[in-house]
Amino acid sequence: KAGVTQTPRYLIKTRGQQVTLSCSPISGHRSVSWYQQTPGQGLQFLFEYFSETQRNKGNFPGRFSGRQFSNSRSEMNVSTLELGDSALYLCASSPGTTPYNEQFFGPGTRLTVL
Amino acid sequence: AQKVTQAQTEISVVEKEDVTLDCVYETRDTTYYLFWYKQPPSGELVFLIRRNSFDEQNEISGRYSWNFQKSTSSFNFTITASQVVDSAVYFCALSERPISNFGNEKLTFGTGTRLTIIP
Repeated sequence: KAGVTQTPRYLIKTRGQQVTLSCSPISGHRSVSWYQQTPGQGLQFLFEYFSETQRNKGNFPGRFSGRQFSNSRSEMNVSTLELGDSALYLCASSPGTTPYNEQFFGPGTRLTVL
Repeated sequence: AQKVTQAQTEISVVEKEDVTLDCVYETRDTTYYLFWYKQPPSGELVFLIRRNSFDEQNEISGRYSWNFQKSTSSFNFTITASQVVDSAVYFCALSERPISNFGNEKLTFGTGTRLTIIP
């Protein structure tokens, strides 16, 4: 079974630009969650999508948004990039149909904002 | 609010030594799950274990073992006979109560412990 894939793996943007990251979950998994990892704040939950609906979200500004498609693939968008958005963005997938599933993480997209 | 504390920022041990990584959590929920993940230099988080709040039985998987003590809100992880391949950052995480019957995948992570195994 293929694992969670994320594209691109590395990205360099400048302040003010916007960026879209993509995540393909494990086949059959309907839940996709996004996390931001920075040295200062650690791993922080951004949001979770299940069956194309945002089911939960963390405490991030509206510049961070996401969506999920009918095939469960998910995209995350950050608009008006700031230097502080430089981070490793991790995507995780799980079946999502019962509580407390273990989540399977992708390799991440490392975003650098200059 | 839920909180996970990993007080040990970095640990270094010589290969073949045993090492214990500490995890203390706070939650008001009576039902919750605890997790451990490993993050090697490649960056991908690797799932190690999931334990629910009603199961305090210790678990052993090869050289790994976990000690869950609800009375002290701790979920510690021990690696026996450590190997260089165990070098990584280890995260303890807590799953919140579902907001619906179908689940709630939000994990609250600790800050991680960087483990270095010296050959």
